[in-house]
Amino acid sequence: NAGVMQNPRHLVRRRGQEARLRCSPMKGHSHVYWYRQLPEEGLKFMVYLQKENIIDESGMPKERFSAEFPKEGPSILRIQQVVRGDSAAYFCASSKDRNPGEQYFGPGTRLTVT
Amino acid sequence: KQEVTQIPAALSVPEGENLVLNCSFTDSAIYNLQWFRQDPGKGLTSLLLIQSSQREQTSGRLNASLDKSSGRSTLYIAASQPGDSATYLCVRAAGNKLTFGGGTRVLVKP
Repeated sequence: NAGVMQNPRHLVRRRGQEARLRCSPMKGHSHVYWYRQLPEEGLKFMVYLQKENIIDESGMPKERFSAEFPKEGPSILRIQQVVRGDSAAYFCASSKDRNPGEQYFGPGTRLTVT
Repeated sequence: KQEVTQIPAALSVPEGENLVLNCSFTDSAIYNLQWFRQDPGKGLTSLLLIQSSQREQTSGRLNASLDKSSGRSTLYIAASQPGDSATYLCVRAAGNKLTFGGGTRVLVKP
């Protein structure tokens, strides 16, 4: 049973470009969470999704950021018109149900904006 | 605002010493308290999960305690090894949200 998979592992974008980060949850998991870790800071919750629904996006910046978890395929975190301040590690976690103690984390995508 | 604070931010010990990592949180009405390990360039590995009704959990050389009245959790690592070098994260879980502490960077010198 493969763990949570994220790709790409490293992503370099120029200012103004779009970044798409993908997360495939563990098999049988229908809950996905995205977290961001800025340099020298702790991880912060961004968004919680279930299949085809955004449950909680209280941690998402209001502009340029969006997330989806379609019926088929991975969850996508999309950042439009990236700026240098978006450079961070973005972690995805998944869980089978709504139990916060059972989130399994992916290896993260490190986004660098030049 | 719920916050999770970890002290110290960094810790360096010789191999064989016991490690004590502290975590404090402002809201005692937590659901779970969890300790993770983060290795450079890698994801997070869950170490111990303490349910709100529990006081401690143990796994091998690791022991984590939870004192809700004082808003503290402590992670003990006995007889440290160089392979224990990593960042340790204390995480408060409420609902579906995890609130992370800033982490303690541990270096165990051989």
